[in-house]
Amino acid sequence: DQQVKQNSPSLSVQEGRISILNCDYTNSMFDYFLWYKKYPAEGPTFLISISSIKDKNEDGRFTVFLNKSAKHLSLHIVPSQPGDSAVYFCAASGGNYGQNFVFGPGTRLSVLP
Amino acid sequence: DAGVIQSPRHEVTEMGQEVTLRCKPISGHNSLFWYRQTMMRGLELLIYFNNNVPIDDSGMPEDRFSAKMPNASFSTLKIQPSEPRDSAVYFCASSLLRLPLHFGNGTRLTVT
Repeated sequence: DQQVKQNSPSLSVQEGRISILNCDYTNSMFDYFLWYKKYPAEGPTFLISISSIKDKNEDGRFTVFLNKSAKHLSLHIVPSQPGDSAVYFCAASGGNYGQNFVFGPGTRLSVLP
Repeated sequence: DAGVIQSPRHEVTEMGQEVTLRCKPISGHNSLFWYRQTMMRGLELLIYFNNNVPIDDSGMPEDRFSAKMPNASFSTLKIQPSEPRDSAVYFCASSLLRLPLHFGNGTRLTVT
């Protein structure tokens, strides 16, 4: 049973446009969410986080939105750059999971020049 | 800050052999995680330690897998005997409290 879902395995966007990556979760106890970016042959690197007391967090070109009632979060990248091409993972923690993070299956983003 | 260091980067072994993966977490981090990444299951947690004590090993596939953390700066994940279905990329990550995880670059394991 996947508790963190990323229903789009891949996404292609033109350079300069907005990239929107989506994530849904089922466990209402999750209260802390993160996005990671992963390049081939490297480990995932932390991008941005949001706690359940907020509905938006922004860091430069990256913004994460959280809709608790819908159990949905999204990552917006504006403007998208070719260097953003990577696999993006959504992760969640909280409740019985304590310090553990549950990861989604990832979305491969391709930013086309 | 050297980051999380994993070794080896690549491991190729034959079915039935013992495999040991190693991890050095970031100094000062109090939690260490072992994840496995496969095409079918994505990133799945195998086990995590808090202050060198295993907290949750429910993700360890079976008794062939074992993990230890003898001190705050070292952990091992051992597979004995290895099987072809264990082929995957194994990541170690560390963190402090509930701050984001820092991942190593992984060990790509191939069991033939």
